[in-house]
Amino acid sequence: DAGITQSPRHKVTETGTPVTLRCHQTENHRYMYWYRQDPGHGLRLIHYSYGVKDTDKGEVSDGYSVSRSKTEDFLLTLESATSSQTSVYFCAARDNSGNTIYFGEGSWLTVV
Amino acid sequence: GESVGLHLPTLSVQEGDNSIINCAYSNSASDYFIWYKQESGKGPQFIIDIRSNMDKRQGQRVTVLLNKTVKHLSLQIAATQPGDSAVYFCAENISGATNKLIFGTGTLLAVQP
Repeated sequence: DAGITQSPRHKVTETGTPVTLRCHQTENHRYMYWYRQDPGHGLRLIHYSYGVKDTDKGEVSDGYSVSRSKTEDFLLTLESATSSQTSVYFCAARDNSGNTIYFGEGSWLTVV
Repeated sequence: GESVGLHLPTLSVQEGDNSIINCAYSNSASDYFIWYKQESGKGPQFIIDIRSNMDKRQGQRVTVLLNKTVKHLSLQIAATQPGDSAVYFCAENISGATNKLIFGTGTLLAVQP
């Protein structure tokens, strides 16, 4: 257990509205990630962070931004939600002593 | 939550039998591999990992085999139980990549009582 919690766990929002998902971790992990998971696709990396204020894009970063103002929190923002962003979003963190990545329980987002 | 088992290959086994789930990975430069289990409505759960300098690793009721020649990974579950029913997927880490994993799409394991 890597002490990762996500909020909200479920959200329905309207097209064009901003949405922020929060990931909180209690184990002082340096690396944190945001993935999305869709039927027919494996987990796809949106953005990741390698330290406070240090972030980089993943393979599906368009339409998303992130921020990491402190070690324990990694925020994912959809500036203007679209229906194609309806998905399950997973936050993850890497164990500081190795390569293993642990996941949170997910945030189900529906954009209508 | 929405099921992530749709459109996935399915392995159906009888309770008590052994299960073998296979994964073909894509990059010969991958140096670390992980198997995850994902139950419906939950996040992926770490099961077991293996580094590329090994060809076998055992855990509790699970064994991972790595064949680098054909870029193949397998997960063996002994004495499969109903609680093992889930989607299983592998992930590979490419050497030198900034700790980013590439995930497979997964296999749905259905355990029949």
